[in-house]
Amino acid sequence: QKEVEQNSGPLSVPEGAIASLNCTYSDRGSQSFFWYRQYSGKSPELIMFIYSNGDKEDGRFTAQLNKASQYVSLLIRDSQPSDSATYLCAVKGGSQGNLIFGKGTKLSVKP
Amino acid sequence: EADIYQTPRYLVIGTGKKITLECSQTMGHDKMYWYQQDPGMELHLIHYSYGVNSTEKGDLSSESTVSRIRTEHFPLTLESARPSHTSQYLCASSAAGTELYGYTFGSGTRLTVV
Repeated sequence: QKEVEQNSGPLSVPEGAIASLNCTYSDRGSQSFFWYRQYSGKSPELIMFIYSNGDKEDGRFTAQLNKASQYVSLLIRDSQPSDSATYLCAVKGGSQGNLIFGKGTKLSVKP
Repeated sequence: EADIYQTPRYLVIGTGKKITLECSQTMGHDKMYWYQQDPGMELHLIHYSYGVNSTEKGDLSSESTVSRIRTEHFPLTLESARPSHTSQYLCASSAAGTELYGYTFGSGTRLTVV
C-alpha cells in the first residue's frame, strides 16, 4: 500500500479559479505535512507546511489538515498560469522520520 | 547566502565511466539526501545521511555509493555508468527536527549516459 497517495491529474482549472489538490496518507502517527511545487525540469520548492488540524493560510495558498481522516489538501485561490506545475505532498513518517513523497499532481492553469 | 549546491548541472558521459555528482550545503544541516527522479515521475530516495560518517541506503535500490566525510559535503559516485542510470539526481538537506522545516533541494544534476 502506497503511503502517500495523490491524484496524478492533470488537474486543469481556468485562470482566477480555485485549484484544490488532495493527498491521503496511511501512517496515522504522521505529525508533519508539506506541500512542494515542482516546475518542469526544476527541483521541488517548499511552499507550505502544516502540523495542526485545521487550516493554514499563506497568501493565495491554504493548507488543510484532517488527521482523523488522514487527509491533507492544498487550495490555491485566484489561480495564475504561473501556478502550473506539479505539486508534491510529503509526510514525515517511517521509522527514520524521513519525508515520504507522493507521486505529485500536475496542475495546469489555463489563461 | 545559505544554500545547497549541486554540480554539474548537466552531464553527458559514456558507458563504463566513473562519475561523481557533487552536493554541498552551507546551512549547517546534519541530514542530507539523494533522490532520483525520471521526467514526470515520482521522487525515489536512494541514499541519506544523518551526519558525518553516517550513510544509509534508501527505498530504491541503487548501484551508486555515497560518503559523508564533512557535514557540508555529500557526494554520490557511480563506479561504472550505464544507460539505465540516465535520470535526474536531486540532493536535499534538512535541519534536525524536520517537523517544521522540511527539506531544501539543490538544483539537480541531469545525467545522460550514452
